[in-house]
Amino acid sequence: QQQVKQSPQSLIVQKGGISIINCAYENTAFDYFPWYQQFPGKGPALLIAIRPDVSEKKEGRFTISFNKSAKQFSLHIMDSQPGDSATYFCAAKGNDYKLSFGAGTTVTVRA
Amino acid sequence: DTAVSQTPKYLVTQMGNDKSIKCEQNLGHDTMYWYKQDSKKFLKIMFSYNNKELIINETVPNRFSPKSPDKAHLNLHINSLELGDSAVYFCASSPLDRGGYTFGSGTRLTVV
Repeated sequence: QQQVKQSPQSLIVQKGGISIINCAYENTAFDYFPWYQQFPGKGPALLIAIRPDVSEKKEGRFTISFNKSAKQFSLHIMDSQPGDSATYFCAAKGNDYKLSFGAGTTVTVRA
Repeated sequence: DTAVSQTPKYLVTQMGNDKSIKCEQNLGHDTMYWYKQDSKKFLKIMFSYNNKELIINETVPNRFSPKSPDKAHLNLHINSLELGDSAVYFCASSPLDRGGYTFGSGTRLTVV
């Protein structure tokens, strides 16, 4: 049973455009929500993370928006670049130390 | 210096064989994990150790046995390999109850 639902499965965006990936969860015990970026042949790398006491966090071109009441969070990639082409995973962690991942979104940025 | 390193990177073996994957982290983290990534890229936790103690043991066939000789090392031994075991196995580490995971670069296991 997947604890974090992620959409879309894939998306294509033009260079300079905005990529938006959405995630939803049910477990209200989750208190840490990271996003990971994975390139082919590499392990997932932590991109940005948020805790539920804030509604938004921005790091460079990457922004997490968090809606606690709706139990949803999203990743926005502004000014998307070809180097951003990768698979992105949302995740959530509660007090059981276990990080549960979404199914992943493959982002392709066209030059 | 690589923070989380796993060996080997590629492993091709025949059904029925026994194989091991090794993992080491130099981040000083308390907790280490094994994740399996299937062909659809879904990441699923298998095991977690905190200071050599098993704290997470998901529903995994008992052919899979993790071993942690110290808090910087976590190995995965797989007995009687099956075709369905083919996947990429990732080791990761984290501070116990805060922060994100740091992943290794993965071991691609192919069972033929």
